[in-house]
Amino acid sequence: QQQVKQSPQSLIVQKGGISIINCAYENTAFDYFPWYQQFPGKGPALLIAIRPDVSEKKEGRFTISFNKSAKQFSLHIMDSQPGDSATYFCAASNSGAQKLVFGQGTRLTINP
Amino acid sequence: NAGVMQNPRHLVRRRGQEARLRCSPMKGHSHVYWYRQLPEEGLKFMVYLQKENIIDESGMPKERFSAEFPKEGPSILRIQQVVRGDSAAYFCASSPYAQTYGYTFGSGTRLTVV
Repeated sequence: QQQVKQSPQSLIVQKGGISIINCAYENTAFDYFPWYQQFPGKGPALLIAIRPDVSEKKEGRFTISFNKSAKQFSLHIMDSQPGDSATYFCAASNSGAQKLVFGQGTRLTINP
Repeated sequence: NAGVMQNPRHLVRRRGQEARLRCSPMKGHSHVYWYRQLPEEGLKFMVYLQKENIIDESGMPKERFSAEFPKEGPSILRIQQVVRGDSAAYFCASSPYAQTYGYTFGSGTRLTVV
């Protein structure tokens, strides 16, 4: 019930294309869903986050789509750039809990 | 304002030795969290501490692992009698709140047990 399942494990996208990463969760008490970006040798950095009272949140080229009934959320990267090549993690937590449950990660490669 | 500082960045230990990982939170952050990342896996929660208190250690292995966050100085994650399976990246995050949305992660300590 505490798991967050992320797919795909790896993804290759051409420059300018759309990168899509999906996550699914079981725990309906989760109410905070962040995405983290991690470059090699670095710690995860918060990219964008959403709460279940909205179905979509957009920040620049990054969009989270959230489907509460399906218990799924996804990250869309528009106009993908080589600098976006990194590992992306989805995560979830619930109010009152101080820990994040992470997905397994997606290694994204943007080909020039 | 420096970010979350972790040291050392890389640590090599022989089996049976002790490993000490340090984390200095961001200025003004009194909440510290430790996560472990095994190769090709996501981060797994280990422990949550406030100054001088362990709040949640539900993710800590029952033996050999301990953590502290003293009144003065950095938070320390201590692994006694390390084994090869302890090889991983250990990340510390700090927050000004007891909530996950305030997290800032450090760059991690890569522990290799030989």
